[in-house]
Amino acid sequence: AQSVSQHNHHVILSEAASLELGCNYSYGGTVNLFWYVQYPGQHLQLLLKYFSGDPLVKGIKGFEAEFIKSKFSFNLRKPSVQWSDTAEYFCAVNARGNNRLAFGKGNQVVVIP
Amino acid sequence: EAQVTQNPRYLITVTGKKLTVTCSQNMNHEYMSWYRQDPGLGLRQIYYSMNVEVTDKGDVPEGYKVSRKEKRNFPLILESPSPNQTSLYFCASSLLYTGRNEKLFFGSGTQLSVL
Repeated sequence: AQSVSQHNHHVILSEAASLELGCNYSYGGTVNLFWYVQYPGQHLQLLLKYFSGDPLVKGIKGFEAEFIKSKFSFNLRKPSVQWSDTAEYFCAVNARGNNRLAFGKGNQVVVIP
Repeated sequence: EAQVTQNPRYLITVTGKKLTVTCSQNMNHEYMSWYRQDPGLGLRQIYYSMNVEVTDKGDVPEGYKVSRKEKRNFPLILESPSPNQTSLYFCASSLLYTGRNEKLFFGSGTQLSVL
């Protein structure tokens, strides 16, 4: 079964700083990859997803993620964060043909104004 | 408005007292799923359903039951709750799980405390 690793559970940074969150998965086959965001007190929302094609995926609110197959990674980036980006970010992986979606443990990101 | 509705939003109960958390979606989605969210553990899948009368275990199904008698509803049942089931629960749905439209829509969550 696929599993997902997210490192640096807590990230604190200042506004305008760049953000990169790592996501690694363990599955040798074809995968669908997602990043979800959970703002304080809210439910999860899809930030971006990768199914195939261009490995650099652009999502909402200036976020992007790059799929590197050789590294089994799907890191999330944003060049300049805002206070409103304070949230918990979850990477998720679905192995093609499998009906389950595995989530990582999440990254709690706090942006200081 | 397209949404996934969970009830109740907050629930405090005692050990052993059966409870049901309801989940309903109005998007005619085939796939529905329950997750629990715990600090440091992220989201873990409890059960999922591919369609009416089709359910399967996720990663942490012990102590939970589900049913899918209608397409729109997917209740989570705790027959005999225990304190280790204190958690934040999310229901989610998506149109299909075999196609490309695999975005999950999440409910607002149910915070359950078992004393």
